[in-house]
Formats: sequence, C-alpha cells, structure tokens
Amino acid sequence: GAGVSQSPSNKVTEKGKDVELRCDPISGHTALYWYRQSLGQGLEFLIYFQGNSAPDKSGLPSDRFSAERTGGSVSTLTIQRTQQEDSAVYLCASILPQGPGANVLTFGAGSRLTVL
Amino acid sequence: DAKTTQPTSMDCAEGRAANLPCNHSTISGNEYVYWYRQIHSQGPQYIIHGLKNNETNEMASLIITEDRKSSTLILPHATLRDTAVYYCIVRVYNQGGKLIFGQGTELSVKP
Repeated sequence: GAGVSQSPSNKVTEKGKDVELRCDPISGHTALYWYRQSLGQGLEFLIYFQGNSAPDKSGLPSDRFSAERTGGSVSTLTIQRTQQEDSAVYLCASILPQGPGANVLTFGAGSRLTVL
Repeated sequence: DAKTTQPTSMDCAEGRAANLPCNHSTISGNEYVYWYRQIHSQGPQYIIHGLKNNETNEMASLIITEDRKSSTLILPHATLRDTAVYYCIVRVYNQGGKLIFGQGTELSVKP
C-alpha cells in the first residue's frame, strides 16, 4: 500500500481481556518496528522484525506481549490479560533497509489502546 | 538508551528560523543522523537525514559539525504548523536493527 496501515485506530477494552493490534506495512518493506507511546511520553521500542523473524524483541515489557509477522508483510501485536498500564498508542513503522528509496522509516497513525 | 541528547523544549517566533540542536557524541563512522517530527496525535514523520555534509530539502536544513558529534536542524521560516516534537536519531545506513528514539525536543512556534 501507499502507507503503513494500522488497525484498529482505537480500541477500548476491559482489564484482563486480550487484544490484537494489526500493522500492514508498505509493500516491499522488509523491516518492521513496533513502538509504544504512553501519554506525554516518547517512543518506547518494543520489537523489530526483519522479514518474518524478530532479531530484537528486547523492548517487550512482559511475557503478556507477543508479536508475529507472516509472509514478510502483516504483523500482529498481541497483548494478553491487559492491564491499565498497557493503555497507550501503539505505533508501527516499516523501512526498506537497502536499495532505492531505502532508509526512511515510515510510521502508521497508531492504534490507541485504552484499558478500563 | 538513546544515543542522542536534545533539549526538552524550545520556543520560536512565527516566521523566524527554528534551530534545534542534537548531541550524538558517540556516533559511529557509519551512522547517519536522522530527524523526525511528531505532530500531536499523529505518527512521526521523516524530515531529513545526513552523514557528514550539510543537507537541505523542502522541509529543512541539517547542519552536522565537522567532528560529527552534534547537529542542528533548521526550519528556516517556522509556522504555527511546525509546532511538534522533534526527534534526532542515529542509524547505520543500509542496515536493519533496533532504533531508539530519545525524548525529543518539543518546539512551540508562537505568533
């Protein structure tokens, strides 16, 4: 697609429920990143994918968080047993690491998660 | 931890140049300096990047010191729509890997 698409744009859930956030990167972008941004804070790195593998998942805050990427394209971030502190905007970005038009990180608009 | 440090906030008068500094004293020889900005409630947007030469595009200019330990993003004629958080990051070109954003500089452009 023309840009990075994220869904849902807004999600309100109850504490303890599981949520899935989806990222559809720019076609052909082999690398994909997830970040979290709590209210008034900076971007917190969560996980990085190169193709379908995640060489760096050091930013995932707990084992309730997981992510996968299939077909080198769509990625899903799953949060199990949500807690109120999980409330944040979850941002996805993709990049073409090499080649023409490469090296510019493009972000989606984010998914705003509110845990009641 | 982020490899860059920036002032927390800055003000600029509308129509004047906004000069946003960034320190990256531990930058490696193969790392580029990138600037992004985030306007409230939106995803960050790419502005400009460079290695060691000064760069200019339709949005901004990037001045990198000769020792590459610091840089300045210049918005030549700031408008109210330039009010945003500006992030400076360093990244190895043509390579993947974790990208860490610092806290950025909150620029307020005032009438």
